[in-house]
Amino acid sequence: GIQVEQSPPDLILQEGANSTLRCNFSDSVNNLQWFHQNPWGQLINLFYIPSGTKQNGRLSATTVATERYSLLYISSSQTTDSGVYFCAVGGSSGSRLTFGEGTQLTVNP
Amino acid sequence: DTAVSQTPKYLVTQMGNDKSIKCEQNLGHDTMYWYKQDSKKFLKIMFSYNNKELIINETVPNRFSPKSPDKAHLNLHINSLELGDSAVYFCASSHARGPYTFGSGTRLTVV
Repeated sequence: GIQVEQSPPDLILQEGANSTLRCNFSDSVNNLQWFHQNPWGQLINLFYIPSGTKQNGRLSATTVATERYSLLYISSSQTTDSGVYFCAVGGSSGSRLTFGEGTQLTVNP
Repeated sequence: DTAVSQTPKYLVTQMGNDKSIKCEQNLGHDTMYWYKQDSKKFLKIMFSYNNKELIINETVPNRFSPKSPDKAHLNLHINSLELGDSAVYFCASSHARGPYTFGSGTRLTVV
């Protein structure tokens, strides 16, 4: 199956800093999603982005499918951005998503 | 509210018991999933149903049995619970290969 590797595994920032999270995957995909799991455990869908670039407020994401990676950018980070960010990908097998191990982000005031 | 709702949110039970977790979505999605999140926060798919038909059945013990009475509901029944079943179980739904919406999770603790 597809392998998904996220980096860095842990990231600590001061409020206001910018950051880039990376997701590498081992095979071609037709589905890629980014999720945020907040400290209360809720999984929130941030982006559905199998290719191209999208922006939503302070967050943006870019997927370069031909080079098998995706990036999540967080600008002007806030303490509420803390949590775990997951990248999940799906290939030709259908709707199944394979998750990476996540990036644990801590934003300090 | 449009959402994926799971019940119960917490479940504490003794080894050997049988328990069920229920999931309902009102988003009109055709595909529903069960994922298991372990203590290291790793998320792994267990089952998926599309329009009440089982389409993904990962290698999980056959003590776990999903049931989908209609495309808006997907329940998970677990027989003879073991300590290692302790985890957070998430239900999710999507339209085909579209964006997932997750429920809030059920934290299962087996004692």
